[in-house]
Amino acid sequence: GAVVSQHPSWVICKSGTSVKIECRSLDFQATTMFWYRQFPKQSLMLMATSNEGSKATYEQGVEKDKFLINHASLTLSTLTVTSAHPEDSSFYICSAREVEQWGNQPQHFGDGTRLSIL
Amino acid sequence: AQTVTQSQPEMSVQEAETVTLSCTYDTSESNYYLFWYKQPPSRQMILVIRQEAYKQQNATENRFSVNFQKAAKSFSLKISDSQLGDTAMYFCAFMKPYNNNDMRFGAGTRLTVKP
Repeated sequence: GAVVSQHPSWVICKSGTSVKIECRSLDFQATTMFWYRQFPKQSLMLMATSNEGSKATYEQGVEKDKFLINHASLTLSTLTVTSAHPEDSSFYICSAREVEQWGNQPQHFGDGTRLSIL
Repeated sequence: AQTVTQSQPEMSVQEAETVTLSCTYDTSESNYYLFWYKQPPSRQMILVIRQEAYKQQNATENRFSVNFQKAAKSFSLKISDSQLGDTAMYFCAFMKPYNNNDMRFGAGTRLTVKP
């Protein structure tokens, strides 16, 4: 089946540093990838939609200068949390859309990244 | 905008029994997809079952089945013969079939299967 690899799975860093999270589709091409944020005991909240070769579309309230998204190839999207602060600590999950028949476009999720800012 | 509502924050069931998780949604679309995802403590998102809105037949996957009521905008998940490994958060999700088709999730239901 389709596999999405997300790396790193857990990162701890100091306040003020930037952190990059990678999302790769291993055995399929993904023209669109999605980035979600999940706070403890809460649901997944869509942060942005990443399209290969174009600018990401951010959800309302998500700072695009804080959360930089790059989707340079059909198998890789990256999320960079710039100048991270403790309030950015969260669980970040990516998903990739595998294009099958028109309309039947399942998303496959990575295993998530636990980000802790000290 | 589409909204997904799961009104049961927590539920429990005895092993081998049957449990039903509720989900309602709001949309003006006529065609869309609905999903149930399972998130165990490992936090991996696992697709349990999916339903296309244009299909009247309810989807089934082994012990998992749905009751899809399009007019009522209801999409409940039934788990039969519950197993300890079914303990997890369950999220109902809605997806449009076009326009980048991002997925919208409900708040989740924490299911505990008791031995």
